[in-house]
Amino acid sequence: DAAVTQKPRYLIKMKGQEAEMKCIPEKGHTAVFWYQQKQSKELKFLIYFQNQQPLDQIDMVKERFSAVCPSSSLCSLGIRTCEAEDSALYLCSSSPDWGRNTLYFGAGTRLSVL
Amino acid sequence: TQTVSQSDAHVTVFEGDSVELRCNYSYGGSIYLSWYIQHHGHGLQFLLKYYSGNPVVQGVNGFEAEFSKSDSSFHLRKASVHWSDSAVYFCAVSLNYNQGKLIFGQGTKLSIKP
Repeated sequence: DAAVTQKPRYLIKMKGQEAEMKCIPEKGHTAVFWYQQKQSKELKFLIYFQNQQPLDQIDMVKERFSAVCPSSSLCSLGIRTCEAEDSALYLCSSSPDWGRNTLYFGAGTRLSVL
Repeated sequence: TQTVSQSDAHVTVFEGDSVELRCNYSYGGSIYLSWYIQHHGHGLQFLLKYYSGNPVVQGVNGFEAEFSKSDSSFHLRKASVHWSDSAVYFCAVSLNYNQGKLIFGQGTKLSIKP
């Protein structure tokens, strides 16, 4: 079972609504990453936190998403105004500082935008 | 820009057969190469990684991968597959200086026939 916990597992929103998903990283991990996966295809990097500070993110996240890690034990990813193209599996992963190239993934939040 | 290519979208073998899942990358600098497995409805799980040293690396559940600089490849192999190996396999590259931001390939779905 994944040591990274994501909630909720499933999320259904109407176009234009706000969405929020949460992630509890593995205890002791200092790096948190969010990825977007559509139709079991390749993962798309969204944003990276190190010690709760955002260090890298793609333009889409800057423009339409809100992502924070208010504590080392909780992070959240939000979409301010959902669009149909946002329908995807959102995967949170964490890694210990000493092995940042090995990621531990949660089961994901599947967002459906109707 | 680094890229990762998994040329086979779908591979089908019989239980007990050997299998090789191919991964080619394009990047000239220092990189980490890794493989992850995703069972249906779950997040990704780390299998193995390579950075330097012995080009053949061993992973969990009998998987191994071989790095080839001349071929820009990091193919995953297993000598004898089990039905539980049915999953989607992702190859990933990360740059040495930003190790946690992974660039994933498109994934290869491995199906095991009884």
